[in-house]
Amino acid sequence: GDSVTQMEGPVTLSEEAFLTINCTYTATGYPSLFWYVQYPGEGLQLLLKATKADDKGSNKGFEATYRKETTSFHLEKGSVQVSDSAVYFCALRGVGNKLVFGAGTILRVKS
Amino acid sequence: GAGVSQTPSNKVTEKGKYVELRCDPISGHTALYWYRQSLGQGPEFLIYFQGTGAADDSGLPNDRFFAVRPEGSVSTLKIQRTERGDSAVYLCASSLEVGSTGELFFGEGSRLTVL
Repeated sequence: GDSVTQMEGPVTLSEEAFLTINCTYTATGYPSLFWYVQYPGEGLQLLLKATKADDKGSNKGFEATYRKETTSFHLEKGSVQVSDSAVYFCALRGVGNKLVFGAGTILRVKS
Repeated sequence: GAGVSQTPSNKVTEKGKYVELRCDPISGHTALYWYRQSLGQGPEFLIYFQGTGAADDSGLPNDRFFAVRPEGSVSTLKIQRTERGDSAVYLCASSLEVGSTGELFFGEGSRLTVL
């Protein structure tokens, strides 16, 4: 079945450092890919998405590119802030319409 | 409010009891999903409704779990004979678009603790 694998955390960075969180997937067909974020004490919210190969999703300085050849959707940000501290989930939505999540990566940004 | 609403936000119960968790989706969203999230893990799919019918219930762990959506809006997740292993945050989400490209909007969850 469909699955998502993302890098284990926690990831601890200093403010203004470069961020990469790796995500790879296994799916039948051509799924849509998502990054969701869960800030402390809040619900899951969509960060960005890409619906076809080579699409780049972007929001709040975060970017991820849908790479079909490597089945990856790595999350990047050039300069993180303390307010980016959260749990980040990579997810895919395929032919079954349900969203399949990775295990999540905790990001801690220190000032 | 405009978002997905879940009640109760917290529920503590004893092993063996019956529990109901309610979800009120965003108005007009025809698709409704239930997920379960255990500590340190990603959300795990339970069941998906399209309108009033369960389109996919393959994630329900056993027959103690059941969900309904009788009028195609509010949904209730029902857990019978609760076990300590059922303790988790139960998330509800809704979606406007039927296809795979659409975003799911999540509620803040119902935290269930089974003592």
